[in-house]
Amino acid sequence: VQLVESGGGLVQPGGSLRLSCAASGFTFTTYSMNWVRQAPGKGLEWVAYMSPGGGTIVYYADSVKGRFTISRDNAKNSVYLQMNNLRAEDTAVYYCARDAGDRGYAFDFWGQGTVVTVSS
Amino acid sequence: EIVLTQSPATLSLSPGERASLSCRASQSVSTYLAWYQQKPGQAPRLLIYDASNRATGIPARFSGSGSGTDFTLTISNLEPEDFAVYYCQQRYNWPRTFGQGTKVDIK
Repeated sequence: VQLVESGGGLVQPGGSLRLSCAASGFTFTTYSMNWVRQAPGKGLEWVAYMSPGGGTIVYYADSVKGRFTISRDNAKNSVYLQMNNLRAEDTAVYYCARDAGDRGYAFDFWGQGTVVTVSS
Repeated sequence: EIVLTQSPATLSLSPGERASLSCRASQSVSTYLAWYQQKPGQAPRLLIYDASNRATGIPARFSGSGSGTDFTLTISNLEPEDFAVYYCQQRYNWPRTFGQGTKVDIK
C-alpha cells in the first residue's frame, strides 16, 4: 500500500489549492479515504472523508465546511482536496489516509504528507 | 463534537520501563477508539483499533484497553524506537476527533 500526496505550496490568503493523493497497492475503489492535517507543532485534525465507490457520502470538519471539497477518481486511483478561500490557519501538513473499513474503521495507511502554507 | 483528553502531556521514562497513556472522552465512544504513534517528520502509524486490537505488524508490547469514556495505551518494556508522540482518535461519530497527544520522551 502506498499513498503519495502532491499539490502543496505557498498560497496567499483567499487563494485556492488542489491537493492530490495517488494510491497504489490495493483496490482503491473499495476503500473510504480521508484527509487529515497537522499545523506546525500541533496535533492531528481530521479534515474530510469520502465513502468508497461513487463517493456519495462525504463529511467535513466544521473548520473547512463550505471551503474545501473532497473528491475521488477511481480510474486514476486518486483522491483530491480542493481548498478555496484559504486562511492562515489552514497552514499545515496535509495527509491522505485510508480508512480501514470493517477492520476497525481507523486510518490504517497514511501518505507522507504535503505542506500547505497560507501567507502573504 | 467528542473531545478526547490525553494525559499526561509528557511522560519521561527510561528504556525497559512501562508506559501507561490515558485518553478520556467527553462522552461514551463504546470501544470505537484507535491509537497512533508519530515520530518527528513522519506520518502517524496506526497501533491499536477498536480499543484493544493491534494493527498488522504492531509488536505485542503495545496493548490497549478500556471502553466507554476511559482508555489506556500500555507499552511494556519501552524500546528506544518507542519514544514518540501518541494520539488517540474516536470513530464513534462525526467529526472524527483526535486527542492532543502524549509525548513519551527519554528520561
